[in-house]
Amino acid sequence: GAGVSQSPSNKVTEKGKDVELRCDPISGHTALYWYRQSLGQGLEFLIYFQGNSAPDKSGLPSDRFSAERTGGSVSTLTIQRTQQEDSAVYLCASSFQPGASYEQYFGPGTRLTVT
Amino acid sequence: DQQVKQNSPSLSVQEGRISILNCDYTNSMFDYFLWYKKYPAEGPTFLISISSIKDKNEDGRFTVFLNKSAKHLSLHIVPSQPGDSAVYFCAASALGGSKLTFGKGITLSVRP
Repeated sequence: GAGVSQSPSNKVTEKGKDVELRCDPISGHTALYWYRQSLGQGLEFLIYFQGNSAPDKSGLPSDRFSAERTGGSVSTLTIQRTQQEDSAVYLCASSFQPGASYEQYFGPGTRLTVT
Repeated sequence: DQQVKQNSPSLSVQEGRISILNCDYTNSMFDYFLWYKKYPAEGPTFLISISSIKDKNEDGRFTVFLNKSAKHLSLHIVPSQPGDSAVYFCAASALGGSKLTFGKGITLSVRP
């Protein structure tokens, strides 16, 4: 079946603009995660959705970052008033159930460049 | 504050030999550990995991060892193959949680 898909694959934006990144998880997966990887760094957890529960937003770096998951499926990560330090690869993952023992399947990522 | 550390940024080994990738962690709450493999322009893919109640888990050519007292784990790949050349990330989760804390990754190159 289809894996996790993300769009766009690349996004170049000017400092101060807003951007939206989209994630389509694997059908039937109840948990959805956003991570980002800055240059030379590991993956950094941003936010986690599980079913109808309130999302775990503990990794969002500032209030310029927000995310939503509509209908328990597609998710959108929004970054307002982008800054150069927001440049990174943003990765989405989904898993059948929550919990680290359930494999997280990652999408190919969106490379965001803020000029 | 890096809670998961992969101190060696790269490793080069000869095809057929053993590759040993190391990972250290500082958070005593971590109880589940994973290794992910990443090729360029692709997302990471799960490789192998280990629970803190075990000290070894094996899957084919891949074995993960966990030393809780030293807060250290390692991934052994034997025999190494050129297709194993990739970036390997160590990750951990705490107390049955879902979010993963990743290290910076190690670039493995397997020479034919």
